[in-house]
Amino acid sequence: DTGVSQNPRHKITKRGQNVTFRCDPISEHNRLYWYRQTLGQGPEFLTYFQNEAQLEKSRLLSDRFSAERPKGSFSTLEIQRTEQGDSAMYLCASSLGTGWTEKLFFGSGTQLSVL
Amino acid sequence: KQEVTQIPAALSVPEGENLVLNCSFTDSAIYNLQWFRQDPGKGLTSLLLIQSSQREQTSGRLNASLDKSSGRSTLYIAASQPGDSATYLCAVSGVTGNQFYFGTGTSLTVIP
Repeated sequence: DTGVSQNPRHKITKRGQNVTFRCDPISEHNRLYWYRQTLGQGPEFLTYFQNEAQLEKSRLLSDRFSAERPKGSFSTLEIQRTEQGDSAMYLCASSLGTGWTEKLFFGSGTQLSVL
Repeated sequence: KQEVTQIPAALSVPEGENLVLNCSFTDSAIYNLQWFRQDPGKGLTSLLLIQSSQREQTSGRLNASLDKSSGRSTLYIAASQPGDSATYLCAVSGVTGNQFYFGTGTSLTVIP
């Protein structure tokens, strides 16, 4: 169990550029979540996968955001035409099971700064 | 929509003191509640998970309680240490929907 891995740890980009983040979950975990966190706030739900299927996406997520989880393994989150308001920590979490026993394991996050 | 509130937003205590952090939620239809710790610029580390049918869970100096009917949970930290300084967040797993709802956290500083 090597934990949830996220890359890169930091990303600085100019407004209007596209960025992509990667998350490698714990190997046997079937659920994968993306959250966004800004300073002083709790994580905000973006989207969630059960194996390779994207089952839920936040209504707050604009069309500039897309996520994939090919073959139910790693996941990528892409932000197109970045805006300064996209600056945040992007957190990935994985879990095994559902309901009462589901426990989230988080990665260290990717800190995005849009200049 | 589930709303999660944590009070206080910040807390400063001298080393050795026992303390209580509070978490409240508006919808009692939950599967479980988790407490997390977050160090600055880092991800979240799970501390305790309480299933909705349980009343409390303990791990070392930490004890978490859950009163689902009143929509409240507390995290009790005994004999606080400077290494406990961090932000503590609670999250509830809703029966409807497939996501965890987070509070804004309590920033704890333990003064040596």
